[in-house]
Amino acid sequence: QLQLQESGPGLVKPSETLSLTCTVSGGSMSSSSYYWGWIRQPPGKGLEWIGSIYYSGTTYYNLSLKSRLTISVDTSKNQFSLKLSSVTAADTAVYYCARLGGSWGGYFQHWGQGTLVTVSS
Amino acid sequence: QSVLTQPPSVSGAPGQRVTISCTGSSSNLGANYDVHWYQHLPGTAPKLLIYGNNNRPSGVPDRFSGSKSGTSASLAITGLQAEDEADYYCQSYDSGLSGVIFGGGTELTVL
Repeated sequence: QLQLQESGPGLVKPSETLSLTCTVSGGSMSSSSYYWGWIRQPPGKGLEWIGSIYYSGTTYYNLSLKSRLTISVDTSKNQFSLKLSSVTAADTAVYYCARLGGSWGGYFQHWGQGTLVTVSS
Repeated sequence: QSVLTQPPSVSGAPGQRVTISCTGSSSNLGANYDVHWYQHLPGTAPKLLIYGNNNRPSGVPDRFSGSKSGTSASLAITGLQAEDEADYYCQSYDSGLSGVIFGGGTELTVL
């Protein structure tokens, strides 16, 4: 059973960098050609796609976040990561990691439980 | 303002049938990109309900079905149950934005 778990600081100061890691268990990231992604949900709002990455490292970013965003993968650790720089209160959200079922623009088949990140001084 | 438009809320009595619409444009649903649907209960991980317009993942009851035509898509839930009370999101790809897009979400209330 594939499982994904987000981890990282729950509180980040404005202008700093938000860093999260998604650890995958129940399957090897290096032995399967899947896409992996990050999605967030601000309080009281809907879901927003942040970006996706192929197991080989090719990235696809939400254009509205691209200038501040870095997504990377470490298949040896079965992890992929998110870094969002220069954060503001608007970046406060529950952040989910997920595995896509098809192409990078397709559906999110498996999701992590999510982690709340609050941007505040 | 989401690129995919959903009604903010729908409701129905137990046993009834409800539909949730998802309206897009020529750069997403109208460009023949697939639509996918998720069920989301607060505090939990979203769950994939329908992928590729009308396909159900293993374990999703056949009470849930999806359809797509032109720039619109719909999720239908028959035999409504109390446990279906949740938020529902449609999702697709937009060529103008070169990225994944979600609808604004629809809150389903079981009366």
